[in-house]
Amino acid sequence: DAGVIQSPRHEVTEMGQEVTLRCKPISGHDYLFWYRQTMMRGLELLIYFNNNVPIDDSGMPEDRFSAKMPNASFSTLKIQPSEPRDSAVYFCASRHYGANTEAFFGQGTRLTVV
Amino acid sequence: AQKVTQAQTEISVVEKEDVTLDCVYETRDTTYYLFWYKQPPSGELVFLIRRNSFDEQNEISGRYSWNFQKSTSSFNFTITASQVVDSAVYFCALNAGNNRKLIWGLGTSLAVNP
Repeated sequence: DAGVIQSPRHEVTEMGQEVTLRCKPISGHDYLFWYRQTMMRGLELLIYFNNNVPIDDSGMPEDRFSAKMPNASFSTLKIQPSEPRDSAVYFCASRHYGANTEAFFGQGTRLTVV
Repeated sequence: AQKVTQAQTEISVVEKEDVTLDCVYETRDTTYYLFWYKQPPSGELVFLIRRNSFDEQNEISGRYSWNFQKSTSSFNFTITASQVVDSAVYFCALNAGNNRKLIWGLGTSLAVNP
C-alpha cells in the first residue's frame, strides 16, 4: 500500500481565497483524522470520520472550516475564506477499527496564507 | 480527564550518548493504549510503538527501548548510542476508554550533534 496520500504538499494562497486539501486514506481503514500542527498549539485534532461519517468535529476552529468524506477512499478539508492564522501543516491520518491500532499519517500539506 | 505530558521541550546530546525522553500520562480508564511517534525534519509522522495497559513488559527494538510503568503513569523512551539521524521531534500519545481520539503530548525536540 502507498500509505496515506495528501495533496498538495505545499499551498500558498492569498487571504480570502478558498483552499481545499485532499487525502486518500489507506485502503481498508475505518477511521480518518484531520490534524493541524503549529508551533504554538502543537498537534490539534480537527475532525475525524468513521466509515465516512463525521463523528467529532469539535476541533474545527470556525465555520470557515469544513470537511467531507464522500467515500472510503477520499476526504477533503476546505477553508473558505482563508486567513493568515490558518497557516500551518495539515495532516491526514487513517487507521483500522480498534483503539489499539496505530494511526498512519500522510506527509502533510504545508499551508501558507499571505 | 486524559492528558499526556512531555516535560522536556528540547534535548541536545552528542552522538553516541544515551538519551531518555519522558512521557507521563493521566487517565481514569483501566484500558488504554500508549504510542510513540517520531517526526523527523522532513515533517512526516512515523509510528514507533504501541503498548496496551495490560502489558507492562518493557520493549527493545535495536537502539530503542521503552519503559512502561503504571505505578508512575510513565512510558519513557530511551535511545541508546544516539545518532544524528535520531534528531527529530518525538511525540507520546494516549488512547483511553471508548475515545477514538489520540491525546497528544506537545513533543520533545531531540538534537543529536556530531
